[in-house]
Amino acid sequence: SQQGEEDPQALSIQEGENATMNCSYKTSINNLQWYRQNSGRGLVHLILIRSNEREKHSGRLRVTLDTSKKSSSLLITASRAADTASYFCATDPDGGKLIFGQGTELSVKP
Amino acid sequence: EAGVTQSPTHLIKTRGQQATLRCSPISGHTSVYWYQQALGLGLQFLLWYDEGEERNRGNFPPRFSGRQFPNYSSELNVNALELEDSALYLCASSFVGGRGTEAFFGQGTRLTVV
Repeated sequence: SQQGEEDPQALSIQEGENATMNCSYKTSINNLQWYRQNSGRGLVHLILIRSNEREKHSGRLRVTLDTSKKSSSLLITASRAADTASYFCATDPDGGKLIFGQGTELSVKP
Repeated sequence: EAGVTQSPTHLIKTRGQQATLRCSPISGHTSVYWYQQALGLGLQFLLWYDEGEERNRGNFPPRFSGRQFPNYSSELNVNALELEDSALYLCASSFVGGRGTEAFFGQGTRLTVV
């Protein structure tokens, strides 16, 4: 079974709106990472948050981590049509391998 | 700086044949990871190589194997191909294997088994 589970599975918003995606995981982690994938191509690393961090920002991205609830959220502010992609969270509970969730499919309509 | 490169981009094989997929990591990265992304199944961890050694293996049969060369590039071999092996195979590399490092992915090899 997947370590990470994202919700919602699909999200459709208008350009300019904010998009929030959530990720839950089961075991203890060292860090949690978010990736983006554009239509069946390679994954692009977005942000890494360590287990001792609670919040991290990168441009229009804001990631939070709540280790007590074993959950994380990714917020994309002022979304653009180019943000349309699948977003995955990944954890590393077992040295060296990332465990990915099923992903959230984000559609940003112009 | 060149990213992770994978070849070929697309590969079509017949059931029962063998497939070989190749990956060149980012210069300076010693760890290479392989993932399978089949339709509807998400990203499944296959293999992790670091400094030429297999460090971790996912829940895949032995006909999935690979190796890492002295220049840190890697090969994934899939023997006795089955229809359900059709998937996007992604390779990733990182500077230091294990905890706390981000992985950089290639564009993938789309394997189709007919």
